[in-house]
Amino acid sequence: AQTVTQSQPEMSVQEAETVTLSCTYDTSENNYYLFWYKQPPSRQMILVIRQEAYKQQNATENRFSVNFQKAAKSFSLKISDSQLGDTAMYFCAFIDGNQFYFGTGTSLTVIP
Amino acid sequence: NAGVTQTPKFQVLKTGQSMTLQCAQDMNHNSMYWYRQDPGMGLRLIYYSASEGTTDKGEVPNGYNVSRLNKREFSLRLESAAPSQTSVYFCASRWTVVSYEQYFGPGTRLTVT
Repeated sequence: AQTVTQSQPEMSVQEAETVTLSCTYDTSENNYYLFWYKQPPSRQMILVIRQEAYKQQNATENRFSVNFQKAAKSFSLKISDSQLGDTAMYFCAFIDGNQFYFGTGTSLTVIP
Repeated sequence: NAGVTQTPKFQVLKTGQSMTLQCAQDMNHNSMYWYRQDPGMGLRLIYYSASEGTTDKGEVPNGYNVSRLNKREFSLRLESAAPSQTSVYFCASRWTVVSYEQYFGPGTRLTVT
């Protein structure tokens, strides 16, 4: 069975500081895609960043970057220069074939 | 370009009542999905449709039915609502050829009393 584990239910960070959210997953597939989604209080799910498993280079999107360790099945999200607007739930997810699998989420609070 | 739309945004049902949640996308995506989100549980897949004319069960299909009406629309029906179906429901879609990420609707908050 495919599973995604986010072991940090809640985290907080000072504004302008850096924070890392953890995610591990389990799959027997070799080709898959990994994602981080953000869900602010508005409830809308917003794609933050994605990583193709066949790519060794870690994905980066502005202040967001990932540390993808395929052998360890680890996919952490680093947020640099945290902003108040980063306060949200963050979900790790992966897809193999047609189905997506989501973690239970990490609630991040950015403290002014 | 509205993306993924869902109706209604909020709904209150009594136990045993039925209703249909509507979802439509205007991005010409092949695949569509229905999820439920409960506190501490993340998003769980109810049903999905990989392409027009096909539907498959996800992780938590019991108590639900779906219809892929055409390429744009994918509805979720609760035949006899139960309090355990109180949740936030999200519809999502994706284009299976190049783009692997899902695009989500705004969600429907359903309460069953």
